[in-house]
Amino acid sequence: QKEVEQDPGPLSVPEGAIVSLNCTYSNSAFQYFMWYRQYSRKGPELLMYTYSSGNKEDGRFTAQVDKSSKYISLFIRDSQPSDSATYLCAVPGWGTSYGKLTFGQGTILTVHP
Amino acid sequence: DVKVTQSSRYLVKRTGEKVFLECVQDMDHENMFWYRQDPGLGLRLIYFSYDVKMKEKGDIPEGYSVSREKKERFSLILESASTNQTSMYLCASSLFLGGEQFFGPGTRLTVL
Repeated sequence: QKEVEQDPGPLSVPEGAIVSLNCTYSNSAFQYFMWYRQYSRKGPELLMYTYSSGNKEDGRFTAQVDKSSKYISLFIRDSQPSDSATYLCAVPGWGTSYGKLTFGQGTILTVHP
Repeated sequence: DVKVTQSSRYLVKRTGEKVFLECVQDMDHENMFWYRQDPGLGLRLIYFSYDVKMKEKGDIPEGYSVSREKKERFSLILESASTNQTSMYLCASSLFLGGEQFFGPGTRLTVL
């Protein structure tokens, strides 16, 4: 079983929509989770960082963790065309994988004006 | 502001050639990483290094080697390039293992 799995989409929404991006993870020992955003022809950049204990909000973005179902979500409110990008969830390595980040496949999001 | 630079944005090589991809970071980070990114497969770790001259295999090291002679520079080497190594290669660095990684812009490698 993969450590983290993500629906690759693609996802296409109109401007102003609420977007929900999701990942599932396999190891209940993970303590924190990351969301990266990658614009076309660029490297990924860290968007948000959340601990397994709760949610985190940053402007129009909210990261949520559901430990019981091993589900992490990123919500984007009032989505804008500038939010069009690939979003990747990431989990830190555990045990023999310490030091590594494992990334989901990435969800391609397009927000139409 | 952390900056990670990669030597080439686009590279075209022939099967069997030896290929060097260079990465430099300017923030004195201990840790550096090489990934490849393919559609539907996401980012996969090839190798990482937690100190000068130290390296660890990632999830897909076969066909690759790395070199880290200086703290700021991490090189990925394809000993004998093959067409299945056509991909986007991304370098990253981090201050802490398991912490935020800062990525370069990527090198799009095509092997013919």
